[in-house]
Amino acid sequence: NAGVMQNPRHLVRRRGQEARLRCSPMKGHSHVYWYRQLPEEGLKFMVYLQKENIIDESGMPKERFSAEFPKEGPSILRIQQVVRGDSAAYFCASSPGSHTDTQYFGPGTRLTVL
Amino acid sequence: SQQGEEDPQALSIQEGENATMNCSYKTSINNLQWYRQNSGRGLVHLILIRSNEREKHSGRLRVTLDTSKKSSSLLITASRAADTASYFCATALSGGSQGNLIFGKGTKLSVKP
Repeated sequence: NAGVMQNPRHLVRRRGQEARLRCSPMKGHSHVYWYRQLPEEGLKFMVYLQKENIIDESGMPKERFSAEFPKEGPSILRIQQVVRGDSAAYFCASSPGSHTDTQYFGPGTRLTVL
Repeated sequence: SQQGEEDPQALSIQEGENATMNCSYKTSINNLQWYRQNSGRGLVHLILIRSNEREKHSGRLRVTLDTSKKSSSLLITASRAADTASYFCATALSGGSQGNLIFGKGTKLSVKP
């Protein structure tokens, strides 16, 4: 059973470009979470999704950021018109059911905005 | 202080010694989880302890939870150089539909051979 997969592992974008980060949850997991980590900091929650639904997006910036988890395919975190402050590691996690279950994390995508 | 705040921020010990890290939080929780992160890598789940549990063991790990003091501790016994990493506690709040874990800033553990 493969773990949570994220790609790309490293992503470089220039200011103003779009960044798309992908996350495939563990097999059998229908709950996906996105977190952002700045250097020397803990993870900060962004959004929680189940298939085709956003359950909690209280940690998402109001503008430029969006997330989806379609019926088929991976979850996508999309950042439009990136700025330098978006540079961070973005982690995806998945859990099998209840949001109070153990969350299993992917290796992360390190986004660098030039 | 933040929900899920670890103490100390950094800890340096010799191989074979025990390492204890503490975590304090502010609001009612459903569970508390400990994770390890090696430098530049993803998080590895270590242990989950629910609010109605007081202690859990997993190999060389021992986690305690005191809900009256809103605190938890992670003990690593007989530490190894490979235990060098950052350790985070994360809380899942009780009630509501929140899916998020709230992480502290972590404890950086360095185990010297």
